[in-house]
Amino acid sequence: QVQLKESGPGLVQPSETLSLTCTVSGFSLTSNSVHWVRQPPGKGLEWMGIIRSGGSTDYNSALKSRLSISRDTSKSQVFLKMNSLQTEDTAIYYCTRWGYGGNDYWGQGVMVTVSS
Amino acid sequence: DIVLTQAPLSVSVTPGESASISCRSSKSLLSSKGITSLYWYLQRPGKSPQLLIYQMSNLASGVPDRFSSSGSETDFTLKISKVETEDVGVYYCGHRLEYPPTFGSGTKLEIK
Repeated sequence: QVQLKESGPGLVQPSETLSLTCTVSGFSLTSNSVHWVRQPPGKGLEWMGIIRSGGSTDYNSALKSRLSISRDTSKSQVFLKMNSLQTEDTAIYYCTRWGYGGNDYWGQGVMVTVSS
Repeated sequence: DIVLTQAPLSVSVTPGESASISCRSSKSLLSSKGITSLYWYLQRPGKSPQLLIYQMSNLASGVPDRFSSSGSETDFTLKISKVETEDVGVYYCGHRLEYPPTFGSGTKLEIK
């Protein structure tokens, strides 16, 4: 069955770089796009970016200068890297597949706290 | 970016009664392919968002038919009939018409 699971450090120092991994199963990254969405505590959802089946990417313009999404198709993993982290980047980070015909799947999310 | 405005901020409903949530878009969500790119999600407490409705009016797999959605190109309504305790959470509308996809600010549904 389709699954996505985020992993990464729970705590990041201000100004440092966040590195997250989304490990997927039940589908191929060469046939599906994966998005990253984040949610600050008690707040709404913010789309961060996408890596498409062909490997191309798009980013939220508000994050574009700090954000990079890549993948390793052989390991079924998608990577998020975001630099210059600030306290406002504290959030739950989700990877998600938005499939055709409403065939969506979301990971459980990983909580990242930016604090010294 | 497209702005989605939800109302109300919160709604309190007696089990068995109905609830409606509104979502208004700053731009038409009708695509060139004739599809209205409006989606509804439910985020239960402590859980990931789950898709309820896609392309304005289509029920996602496994979603009970107590949920329904309708609208125009810019104004949309999610209706929940016969509310149950499991419907508690925050409801978000979202679009996928163009990049970036954006979401409404959410409507919290509580049980009286």
